[in-house]
Amino acid sequence: AQKVTQAQTEISVVEKEDVTLDCVYETRDTTYYLFWYKQPPSGELVFLIRRNSFDEQNEISGRYSWNFQKSTSSFNFTITASQVVDSAVYFCALSDVLVGRDDKIIFGKGTRLHILP
Amino acid sequence: EAGVAQSPRYKIIEKRQSVAFWCNPISGHATLYWYQQILGQGPKLLIQFQNNGVVDDSQLPKDRFSAERLKGVDSTLKIQPAKLEDSAVYLCASSSIKVGTEAFFGQGTRLTVV
Repeated sequence: AQKVTQAQTEISVVEKEDVTLDCVYETRDTTYYLFWYKQPPSGELVFLIRRNSFDEQNEISGRYSWNFQKSTSSFNFTITASQVVDSAVYFCALSDVLVGRDDKIIFGKGTRLHILP
Repeated sequence: EAGVAQSPRYKIIEKRQSVAFWCNPISGHATLYWYQQILGQGPKLLIQFQNNGVVDDSQLPKDRFSAERLKGVDSTLKIQPAKLEDSAVYLCASSSIKVGTEAFFGQGTRLTVV
């Protein structure tokens, strides 16, 4: 069965500090996709990144970076030099694919990130 | 391109009343999802359509919730009768038919049942 665990319910850091959001997933499939979404106070879920199970290269996009490790079933998200605008709830999500079954995206419970000025 | 459109943005109803939400996905997106997000929790998938067919409704409370996607474009989600525990944000999302693509979300409808 699919499962996404975000153990950190809430994190507060001071602006300009680095912060890492943890994500651990469970799936029996060998082909799957992982996602991170941001949900600012406005409520809309904003897509940040997608990673497939065959690509373990880490990715950096500006102040954001993602560390995918299949050995530990983790897909962690780091914000470097955090800013107040990064304050939001961040969701990790998983979509696995089996032949003959349509993929669906399931979400973790989210981590609420507070960046303090 | 236009994003996923949802209406209304907010709705307050009394328990046992009925309510309907509307979603217009991104043009050309074959897959449409309805999620329920209770305050402080992650989105929970209620139903997934591919074109106008249901591919997953395992978590839809079918005794009170129904959804349709006529003509494979717009979709409506209905609750009848509503319960207090249905208070949540209802999110619609769409994605292309390609496997593993990300879903794009609308702004959601915040439902309060009193």
